[in-house]
Amino acid sequence: AQSVTQPDIHITVSEGASLELRCNYSYGATPYLFWYVQSPGQGLQLLLKYFSGDTLVQGIKGFEAEFKRSQSSFNLRKPSVHWSDAAEYFCAVEALDFGNEKLTFGTGTRLTIIP
Amino acid sequence: EPEVTQTPSHQVTQMGQEVILRCVPISNHLYFYWYRQILGQKVEFLVSFYNNEISEKSEIFDDQFSVERPDGSNFTLKIRSTKLEDSAMYFCASSRGSETQYFGPGTRLLVL
Repeated sequence: AQSVTQPDIHITVSEGASLELRCNYSYGATPYLFWYVQSPGQGLQLLLKYFSGDTLVQGIKGFEAEFKRSQSSFNLRKPSVHWSDAAEYFCAVEALDFGNEKLTFGTGTRLTIIP
Repeated sequence: EPEVTQTPSHQVTQMGQEVILRCVPISNHLYFYWYRQILGQKVEFLVSFYNNEISEKSEIFDDQFSVERPDGSNFTLKIRSTKLEDSAMYFCASSRGSETQYFGPGTRLLVL
């Protein structure tokens, strides 16, 4: 069964600083990988996804993520954060088996932005 | 841009009561899902639904839960006899294929 680890529960960065949120997954092959963002009291918004091909994927709101097979990682990055980026970020994996399309989420990283 | 919608946004119920959470998936999507998020915890898969039947369910999805697609647009989650521990945010999601899932805004369920 697949699993996801987000080792950082809470990260605080200054507005304008760079950001990297870590995600490691466990799965027998290369899964589909996703980052979702959840603002307080809101639903889950897809930031970006990796299925295959170029290992550096671009998403919305200036985010990008890099898939590293050797490290089983899919870290999320942003060169310069904005106050509106404060939210909870979830990494998720989906197995490639037909009939097993469920998403398995990490525990999330809460991002706080300070002025 | 098409969105997944969910109703109600909030529901308060007494323990032992039945609740039905409703979702309208994106219209050309074929796969439907329910997830839940207990306050402060991660999002957990409950059930997936394809071709008018459950394709996978988690161990959380016991006999108290059921899903239905009663017509061409709605997808419902029924909890037959709610327990205190069912209090959570319930998210519906849909996808066109076995790829990107789009989530609704959620229904916050509080069981008293």
